[in-house]
Amino acid sequence: AQRVTQPEKLLSVFKGAPVELKCNYSYSGSPELFWYVQYSRQRLQLLLRHISRESIKGFTADLNKGETSFHLKKPFAQEEDSAMYYCALRSGSARQLTFGSGTQLTVLP
Amino acid sequence: DSGVTQTPKHLITATGQRVTLRCSPRSGDLSVYWYQQSLDQGLQFLIQYYNGEERAKGNILERFSAQQFPDLHSELNLSSLELGDSALYFCASEKGGGGTGELFFGEGSRLTVL
Repeated sequence: AQRVTQPEKLLSVFKGAPVELKCNYSYSGSPELFWYVQYSRQRLQLLLRHISRESIKGFTADLNKGETSFHLKKPFAQEEDSAMYYCALRSGSARQLTFGSGTQLTVLP
Repeated sequence: DSGVTQTPKHLITATGQRVTLRCSPRSGDLSVYWYQQSLDQGLQFLIQYYNGEERAKGNILERFSAQQFPDLHSELNLSSLELGDSALYFCASEKGGGGTGELFFGEGSRLTVL
């Protein structure tokens, strides 16, 4: 069965420091991975998807099939990056998303 | 607001009762997903509908059921409620049945079972 693991419930970094939010997955097929973000008092929304290989708000994520990881990185964190981040894996015949338990990122001034 | 709307936003009820949560997807979206978020838990996939038909089932209890109507809105019915059913229930919609992977979420319905 598919599984997404985010080992850190909470992560704090100082403004300007690099940040990495970890995500590991378990899936026997070809994975499609996503990062979703929920800012305070906003809805959960898509941040980026691995197939696009895009950088959104300075964040990037590389799929590492050997390590079954999809860590989210940003070289210089900003206070407005403080939010809840969820890693998600799309799988199954219906292609539903399986979410990790989330990491609450706090960027300190 | 043409986004996903969920009602009610908050609901408090007693054990053994039955409630219905409602979701209206974004205009034009055919897929509706239901997720449950309990305390300290991630989003647990419950069920997906596509254009009125059940597409996938996740960890949905037998006490729970859902449907999607011809106008594409969806309802999640929770019966014989237990304390452990207290959670935030999210609805999300997507244009197709698993296309881009971009789900649009509602604000959630917070259910408290006393």
